[in-house]
Amino acid sequence: DGGITQSPKYLFRKEGQNVTLSCEQNLNHDAMYWYRQDPGQGLRLIYYSQIVNDFQKGDIAEGYSVSREKKESFPLTVTSAQKNPTAFYLCAGSVRIWETQYFGPGTRLLVL
Amino acid sequence: DAKTTQPTSMDCAEGRAANLPCNHSTISGNEYVYWYRQIHSQGPQYIIHGLKNNETNEMASLIITEDRKSSTLILPHATLRDTAVYYCIVRVDNDYKLSFGAGTTVTVRA
Repeated sequence: DGGITQSPKYLFRKEGQNVTLSCEQNLNHDAMYWYRQDPGQGLRLIYYSQIVNDFQKGDIAEGYSVSREKKESFPLTVTSAQKNPTAFYLCAGSVRIWETQYFGPGTRLLVL
Repeated sequence: DAKTTQPTSMDCAEGRAANLPCNHSTISGNEYVYWYRQIHSQGPQYIIHGLKNNETNEMASLIITEDRKSSTLILPHATLRDTAVYYCIVRVDNDYKLSFGAGTTVTVRA
Protein backbone atom coordinates (compact mmCIF):
# COMPACT_ATOMS: atom_id res chain seq x y z
CA ASP A 1 0.00 0.00 0.00
CA GLY A 2 1.50 3.33 -1.01
CA GLY A 3 1.12 6.66 0.65
CA ILE A 4 2.12 8.73 3.62
CA THR A 5 2.04 7.05 6.99
CA GLN A 6 2.20 8.67 10.40
CA SER A 7 2.65 7.05 13.74
CA PRO A 8 1.45 6.85 16.35
CA LYS A 9 -2.19 7.84 15.87
CA TYR A 10 -2.32 9.18 19.44
CA LEU A 11 0.61 10.34 21.55
CA PHE A 12 0.73 11.52 25.12
CA ARG A 13 3.42 13.85 26.39
CA LYS A 14 4.34 14.67 29.93
CA GLU A 15 5.43 18.14 30.92
CA GLY A 16 9.06 18.81 30.01
CA GLN A 17 9.32 15.82 27.71
CA ASN A 18 10.39 15.75 24.08
CA VAL A 19 8.40 13.52 21.75
CA THR A 20 9.01 12.52 18.15
CA LEU A 21 6.29 12.03 15.57
CA SER A 22 7.04 9.73 12.66
CA CYS A 23 6.25 10.45 9.00
CA GLU A 24 7.19 8.01 6.25
CA GLN A 25 6.35 8.03 2.54
CA ASN A 26 6.88 5.63 -0.34
CA LEU A 27 5.60 7.96 -3.05
CA ASN A 28 9.08 9.13 -4.07
CA HIS A 29 8.14 12.69 -3.13
CA ASP A 30 11.03 15.13 -2.95
CA ALA A 31 9.18 17.58 -0.70
CA MET A 32 7.66 16.95 2.72
CA TYR A 33 5.84 19.17 5.19
CA TRP A 34 4.62 19.30 8.75
CA TYR A 35 1.45 21.15 9.71
CA ARG A 36 -0.40 21.70 12.92
CA GLN A 37 -4.21 21.86 13.07
CA ASP A 38 -6.08 23.24 16.07
CA PRO A 39 -9.87 23.14 16.57
CA GLY A 40 -11.61 25.78 14.52
CA GLN A 41 -8.38 26.83 12.82
CA GLY A 42 -6.80 26.04 9.52
CA LEU A 43 -3.46 24.38 8.92
CA ARG A 44 -0.33 26.13 10.09
CA LEU A 45 3.01 25.22 8.56
CA ILE A 46 5.71 24.15 11.02
CA TYR A 47 8.59 22.98 8.83
CA TYR A 48 9.12 21.91 5.27
CA SER A 49 11.80 20.09 3.33
CA GLN A 50 12.41 20.57 -0.36
CA ILE A 51 14.89 17.73 -0.66
CA VAL A 52 16.94 15.32 1.42
CA ASN A 53 19.25 16.99 3.96
CA ASP A 54 17.43 20.29 3.56
CA PHE A 55 14.63 21.79 5.66
CA GLN A 56 13.26 25.24 6.35
CA LYS A 57 11.18 26.84 9.09
CA GLY A 58 7.55 27.48 8.39
CA ASP A 59 5.27 29.95 10.15
CA ILE A 60 5.34 28.38 13.61
CA ALA A 61 8.67 26.54 13.98
CA GLU A 62 9.47 27.60 17.55
CA GLY A 63 9.53 24.61 19.89
CA TYR A 64 9.83 22.08 17.06
CA SER A 65 12.71 20.42 15.23
CA VAL A 66 12.97 18.14 12.20
CA SER A 67 15.48 16.09 10.25
CA ARG A 68 15.52 14.80 6.68
CA GLU A 69 18.28 12.23 6.49
CA LYS A 70 16.36 9.99 4.11
CA LYS A 71 13.99 10.87 1.30
CA GLU A 72 11.32 8.61 2.77
CA SER A 73 11.36 9.98 6.30
CA PHE A 74 10.68 13.39 7.89
CA PRO A 75 10.30 13.04 11.68
CA LEU A 76 9.10 15.94 13.81
CA THR A 77 10.25 16.43 17.40
CA VAL A 78 8.05 18.45 19.69
CA THR A 79 10.40 19.81 22.33
CA SER A 80 9.69 20.96 25.86
CA ALA A 81 10.06 24.51 24.58
CA GLN A 82 6.71 24.18 22.78
CA LYS A 83 4.35 25.52 25.43
CA ASN A 84 1.09 24.54 23.79
CA PRO A 85 1.75 21.24 22.01
CA THR A 86 -1.74 19.75 22.18
CA ALA A 87 -2.91 19.61 18.57
CA PHE A 88 -3.46 17.41 15.53
CA TYR A 89 -0.21 17.10 13.56
CA LEU A 90 -0.28 16.45 9.85
CA CYS A 91 2.54 15.38 7.57
CA ALA A 92 2.28 15.91 3.83
CA GLY A 93 4.34 15.29 0.73
CA SER A 94 4.50 16.52 -2.84
CA VAL A 95 6.48 15.50 -5.88
CA ARG A 96 8.22 18.87 -5.86
CA ILE A 97 8.07 21.76 -3.45
CA TRP A 98 4.68 23.52 -3.24
CA GLU A 99 3.04 21.24 -5.80
CA THR A 100 -0.15 19.34 -4.92
CA GLN A 101 0.25 18.07 -1.39
CA TYR A 102 -0.92 14.67 -0.15
CA PHE A 103 -1.49 14.22 3.55
CA GLY A 104 -0.97 11.44 6.03
CA PRO A 105 -3.63 10.35 8.54
CA GLY A 106 -2.30 12.59 11.31
CA THR A 107 -1.08 12.19 14.90
CA ARG A 108 -3.04 13.64 17.79
CA LEU A 109 -0.72 14.83 20.57
CA LEU A 110 -2.08 15.32 24.06
CA VAL A 111 -0.25 16.73 27.05
CA LEU A 112 -0.78 15.01 30.39
CA ASP B 1 -4.44 34.11 -2.44
CA ALA B 2 -8.02 34.95 -3.34
CA LYS B 3 -10.62 34.31 -0.68
CA THR B 4 -13.30 31.72 -1.14
CA THR B 5 -16.87 31.54 0.08
CA GLN B 6 -18.56 28.23 0.70
CA PRO B 7 -21.86 27.31 2.36
CA THR B 8 -21.40 26.25 5.96
CA SER B 9 -23.18 22.95 5.57
CA MET B 10 -25.26 20.85 3.24
CA ASP B 11 -27.03 17.51 3.26
CA CYS B 12 -27.09 14.99 0.46
CA ALA B 13 -28.99 11.75 -0.08
CA GLU B 14 -26.95 8.62 -0.52
CA GLY B 15 -26.65 7.64 -4.17
CA ARG B 16 -27.47 11.10 -5.43
CA ALA B 17 -25.04 13.64 -6.84
CA ALA B 18 -23.64 16.18 -4.41
CA ASN B 19 -22.97 19.62 -5.88
CA LEU B 20 -20.71 21.78 -3.72
CA PRO B 21 -20.47 25.45 -4.71
CA CYS B 22 -17.54 27.78 -4.15
CA ASN B 23 -17.30 31.49 -4.90
CA HIS B 24 -13.92 33.03 -5.63
CA SER B 25 -14.78 36.32 -7.26
CA THR B 26 -11.30 37.85 -6.80
CA ILE B 27 -9.38 34.96 -8.30
CA SER B 28 -6.35 35.89 -10.37
CA GLY B 29 -5.56 34.54 -13.79
CA ASN B 30 -2.75 32.33 -12.51
CA GLU B 31 -4.58 30.91 -9.49
CA TYR B 32 -5.81 27.34 -9.49
CA VAL B 33 -8.93 26.05 -7.74
CA TYR B 34 -8.15 23.13 -5.43
CA TRP B 35 -10.53 20.91 -3.51
CA TYR B 36 -9.62 18.87 -0.46
CA ARG B 37 -11.80 17.10 2.05
CA GLN B 38 -11.23 16.06 5.63
CA ILE B 39 -13.11 13.24 7.25
CA HIS B 40 -13.36 13.57 11.01
CA SER B 41 -10.02 12.97 12.78
CA GLN B 42 -8.21 12.12 9.55
CA GLY B 43 -5.76 14.01 7.36
CA PRO B 44 -7.01 16.14 4.46
CA GLN B 45 -7.49 14.24 1.22
CA TYR B 46 -6.74 15.85 -2.13
CA ILE B 47 -9.70 15.58 -4.51
CA ILE B 48 -9.10 17.59 -7.66
CA HIS B 49 -7.83 20.91 -9.00
CA GLY B 50 -8.16 22.99 -12.13
CA LEU B 51 -7.31 26.31 -13.73
CA LYS B 52 -9.85 27.07 -16.45
CA ASN B 53 -11.20 23.88 -17.95
CA ASN B 54 -13.53 21.46 -16.29
CA GLU B 55 -11.73 18.50 -14.76
CA THR B 56 -12.80 14.97 -13.88
CA ASN B 57 -11.07 12.16 -12.05
CA GLU B 58 -12.11 8.98 -10.31
CA MET B 59 -13.38 10.88 -7.28
CA ALA B 60 -15.17 13.94 -8.61
CA SER B 61 -15.74 16.53 -11.31
CA LEU B 62 -14.81 20.19 -11.08
CA ILE B 63 -16.84 22.70 -13.06
CA ILE B 64 -15.34 26.20 -13.31
CA THR B 65 -17.44 29.02 -14.73
CA GLU B 66 -16.18 30.83 -17.78
CA ASP B 67 -15.37 33.99 -15.79
CA ARG B 68 -13.64 31.77 -13.16
CA LYS B 69 -15.44 33.55 -10.34
CA SER B 70 -17.09 30.40 -9.07
CA SER B 71 -16.83 26.66 -9.29
CA THR B 72 -18.73 23.52 -8.34
CA LEU B 73 -17.38 20.24 -7.09
CA ILE B 74 -19.58 17.32 -8.08
CA LEU B 75 -19.53 13.98 -6.30
CA PRO B 76 -21.50 11.90 -8.80
CA HIS B 77 -22.89 9.22 -6.48
CA ALA B 78 -22.49 10.22 -2.85
CA THR B 79 -21.95 7.49 -0.27
CA LEU B 80 -21.97 7.63 3.51
CA ARG B 81 -18.17 7.63 3.40
CA ASP B 82 -18.25 10.98 1.60
CA THR B 83 -19.44 12.68 4.80
CA ALA B 84 -16.65 15.19 5.49
CA VAL B 85 -15.66 18.85 5.51
CA TYR B 86 -14.88 19.98 1.96
CA TYR B 87 -12.44 22.81 1.38
CA CYS B 88 -12.24 24.97 -1.71
CA ILE B 89 -8.85 26.68 -1.98
CA VAL B 90 -7.47 29.01 -4.60
CA ARG B 91 -3.72 29.30 -4.91
CA VAL B 92 -1.02 30.11 -7.34
CA ASP B 93 0.75 26.98 -8.55
CA ASN B 94 3.90 26.51 -6.47
CA ASP B 95 2.67 29.00 -3.89
CA TYR B 96 3.91 28.69 -0.31
CA LYS B 97 0.47 28.97 1.22
CA LEU B 98 -2.14 26.24 1.48
CA SER B 99 -4.94 28.05 3.28
CA PHE B 100 -7.87 26.01 4.48
CA GLY B 101 -10.91 28.10 5.34
CA ALA B 102 -13.99 26.93 7.20
CA GLY B 103 -15.15 24.65 4.39
CA THR B 104 -18.53 23.04 3.84
CA THR B 105 -19.64 20.26 6.16
CA VAL B 106 -21.33 17.70 3.92
CA THR B 107 -23.50 15.07 5.52
CA VAL B 108 -24.62 12.18 3.34
CA ARG B 109 -27.78 10.57 4.67
CA ALA B 110 -29.07 7.08 3.94
